[in-house]
Amino acid sequence: GNSVTQMEGPVTLSEEAFLTINCTYTATGYPSLFWYVQYPGEGLQLLLKATKADDKGSNKGFEATYRKETTSFHLEKGSVQVSDSAVYFCALKDYGGSQGNLIFGKGTKLSVKP
Amino acid sequence: DGGITQSPKYLFRKEGQNVTLSCEQNLNHDAMYWYRQDPGQGLRLIYYSQIVNDFQKGDIAEGYSVSREKKESFPLTVTSAQKNPTAFYLCASSAPQQGIYEQYFGPGTRLTVT
Repeated sequence: GNSVTQMEGPVTLSEEAFLTINCTYTATGYPSLFWYVQYPGEGLQLLLKATKADDKGSNKGFEATYRKETTSFHLEKGSVQVSDSAVYFCALKDYGGSQGNLIFGKGTKLSVKP
Repeated sequence: DGGITQSPKYLFRKEGQNVTLSCEQNLNHDAMYWYRQDPGQGLRLIYYSQIVNDFQKGDIAEGYSVSREKKESFPLTVTSAQKNPTAFYLCASSAPQQGIYEQYFGPGTRLTVT
């Protein structure tokens, strides 16, 4: 079935370091892909999305490119800040299942040290 | 401002009691979802509803019940049959029939049962 695999955390970086969080997926057809961020004690917030191959989603300095050939949607940021410390979830829209359901990865915890 | 509200933020109950968690949205979304999140874990789908007066079980529905009498509201009842109810509960909504597949999340309710 469809699935999302994220790199395991936690990831610890120093401020201004480059961030990559890997996400690969298994799906039939052309799913939509999403990155969500969850700050401690809060709900998830949509960070960015891409709906077709080669689309690049971007927001708040974060970027991810929908790569169909490698079935990947890696999250990147050129220079992280302490305020980026959070858990990041990759997700895909499962067209094979119920109309609105998303499949989430297990999340990657990022800690940024000053 | 449109959004999703969940109340209360923190909830404490004694074992053997049923408890109902509130979820309200004013986004005019047709679909609503309930997830459970345990410490350091990803999201697990409890129930979802694509339209008023209809809902389906997710991956871990046992010990939970829902209703969807109004478009704006999707309350979750955690029954005494749920063996391990202490968790963080997240409600979300989307509008897949309008092509809005990303889910918007509420702030969550942390339930502690002792």
